[in-house]
Amino acid sequence: EVQLVESGGGLVEPGGSLRLSCAASGFTFSDAYMTWVRQAPGKGLEWVGHIKRKRDDGTAGYAAPVKGRFTISRDDSENTVYLQMNSLKTEDTALYYCTTQKDGASNYWGQGTLVTVSS
Amino acid sequence: DIQLTQSPSFLSASVGDRVTISCRASQGISSYLAWYQQNPGKAPKLLIYAASTLQSGVPSRFSGSGSGTEFTLTISSLQPEDFATYYCQQLNSYPRTFGQGTKVEIK
Repeated sequence: EVQLVESGGGLVEPGGSLRLSCAASGFTFSDAYMTWVRQAPGKGLEWVGHIKRKRDDGTAGYAAPVKGRFTISRDDSENTVYLQMNSLKTEDTALYYCTTQKDGASNYWGQGTLVTVSS
Repeated sequence: DIQLTQSPSFLSASVGDRVTISCRASQGISSYLAWYQQNPGKAPKLLIYAASTLQSGVPSRFSGSGSGTEFTLTISSLQPEDFATYYCQQLNSYPRTFGQGTKVEIK
C-alpha cells in the first residue's frame, strides 16, 4: 500500500524558514517523480513544484510564486522528499501535500501538513 | 503559464442526476489533462488522467472527454459520495496549473 506522510509544518513568522518532509513507502521511491501541491485555507489547489527521479537527472522545477525561495530535494536512501521553504510570506500559509506522479498526474497524496505564516 | 477555467464554479444537483463539468485551457494541451475529486477535509483523489483514462478503482460512472482546449468531466448518475469539489489540472507544461474548482452540492 502506498503511503505518503508529510511532517514539519507549523507556525512561523514572515521571513522565516521551514523544512517539510514527506516519507514514502509502498512503492519504488527512486523510480518516482515527486510533487508538492498546496492549498490555502478555503481556496483551490496550487502546484508548488516537483523533482524528477535521479536517472532522469533529478532536477526540480517550481511555480513562479515560490521560485528562488523554495527548494525541493530527495533522499532515495531514506525514501523521503523535502521542501525547504525560506523567506516565507503570509501568502504561503496553506496545507502542503506531497504526491507521487503517474503519467504526470498526482495519483497518490499524503494527508498534508499545515504551514501558517503569521506574526 | 496555461490557464484553466472551469465552469460552472458551483452546481446544485440531485442524486441520480447526470452532471457535466467543463474545463477550458488557454492554449492547446492535447490530452494532457487530469481530473481530481476533493471531499471536505480530505486530500484530493485522482479520477481521470490523459483526459479520458479512468484511474484504477474509480467508479465507471465517471468519464472524461476532450482534447486541445476543451474538456469535460461527466458523472452519469450522481451518488451521495460524489458531492465534492472537482478540479482539472493540465499536464502539458510547467507549471502544472489547476482549474479553480467546481463545487457540486446537493439540491
